[in-house]
Amino acid sequence: GNSVTQMEGPVTLSEEAFLTINCTYTATGYPSLFWYVQYPGEGLQLLLKATKADDKGSNKGFEATYRKETTSFHLEKGSVQVSDSAVYFCALSASNYQLIWGAGTKLIIKP
Amino acid sequence: EAGVTQFPSHSVIEKGQTVTLRCDPISGHDNLYWYRRVMGKEIKFLLHFVKESKQDESGMPNNRFLAERTGGTYSTLKVQPAELEDSGVYFCASSPLTSGLGYEQFFGPGTRLTVL
Repeated sequence: GNSVTQMEGPVTLSEEAFLTINCTYTATGYPSLFWYVQYPGEGLQLLLKATKADDKGSNKGFEATYRKETTSFHLEKGSVQVSDSAVYFCALSASNYQLIWGAGTKLIIKP
Repeated sequence: EAGVTQFPSHSVIEKGQTVTLRCDPISGHDNLYWYRRVMGKEIKFLLHFVKESKQDESGMPNNRFLAERTGGTYSTLKVQPAELEDSGVYFCASSPLTSGLGYEQFFGPGTRLTVL
């Protein structure tokens, strides 16, 4: 069946450090891939997405590229800020509309 | 434009009691979804409404859970009787009817349910 695996957290970085959160998936067909973020005390919100192979999603300095050959959608940011502290979720949508989620990665940025 | 709203934000009940969660989707969104995150685990799909019809309820854990969407607007999720393992955060999301698989689902803030 469809599944998403993302690196466990928490991930703790200093401000301005480079961020990578790994995400790999298993899916039949050609899924769409998403990164959602949940800031403290808030709901889930879409950070970025990609709907086909080699697409790059980007938003707020974050990027992720849909790699079909490695079934990956790793999230990256060149220089993180304290305000990026949140929980990040990788998810996919395959043949139906339900989102399949990774376990979430808590990111802590220290000033 | 108002976002997805959920009520209550937090509910604490005793095992065996009944709880009803409510979700108001974004106005005009015919797709409505329920998800939940049990503590420390991944978010799991529960069900999907298209207007008032249940399109997919494959994620509903058992018959103690009943979801309704009368009139195709707001939705309720009732848990009766509640068990300890039902504790978690229940998220509601919505999207327009014309949205495809790659379309964003808009989420509410969630309801944190604690069963004691």
